[in-house]
Amino acid sequence: AQKITQTQPGMFVQEKEAVTLDCTYDTSDPSYGLFWYKQPSSGEMIFLIYQGSYDQQNATEGRYSLNFQKARKSANLVISASQLGDSAMYFCAMRETNTGNQFYFGTGTSLTVIP
Amino acid sequence: DVKVTQSSRYLVKRTGEKVFLECVQDMDHENMFWYRQDPGLGLRLIYFSYDVKMKEKGDIPEGYSVSREKKERFSLILESASTNQTSMYLCASSTSTGGESLETQYFGPGTRLLVL
Repeated sequence: AQKITQTQPGMFVQEKEAVTLDCTYDTSDPSYGLFWYKQPSSGEMIFLIYQGSYDQQNATEGRYSLNFQKARKSANLVISASQLGDSAMYFCAMRETNTGNQFYFGTGTSLTVIP
Repeated sequence: DVKVTQSSRYLVKRTGEKVFLECVQDMDHENMFWYRQDPGLGLRLIYFSYDVKMKEKGDIPEGYSVSREKKERFSLILESASTNQTSMYLCASSTSTGGESLETQYFGPGTRLLVL
């Protein structure tokens, strides 16, 4: 079974609008962390935001926020006020405490911001 | 500033050649990882290492081997390169888990390998 599922291969958003990128996960470990990364066309993976399974509040980092719904096992990334520079691949990942050395990645979502 | 470096950004090799991809991190991280990335498949783990001279197979280790002689360096070896190993290769490092907050991985810039 897939540990991380991203069901949107590609998304388009108008500049200055908000966009939600979906991510669902599968784990039986009560303690885990969820991560989002951005990969521009240049190839480097940039860490965006982290959510711990015990965190009471949704994580926020500037224009990025994580809509964490633990019961539904979803951790959607919300980008507010999209900019042209947000066009990139976005990957959701999970790290479990019990298998803590390994990260599990989704297949990614390609976001295109339209001027 | 954290740093993971990879020996090449672009590499072109011939079928059958032995290929070395080097990765160095300066953060004193215990864990190091090699992934390959292909369109539509995301990142797939080839090998990882949680200590010097230790290695663990990931999801797709066939055709690859690794070496970790020093903590900061993790090498990926293609013993006999094949065209289906043409891909983007990403190295990453992280601390070991501990405490309630799980640390992110830090990635190198990637190596785009073309095998002809």
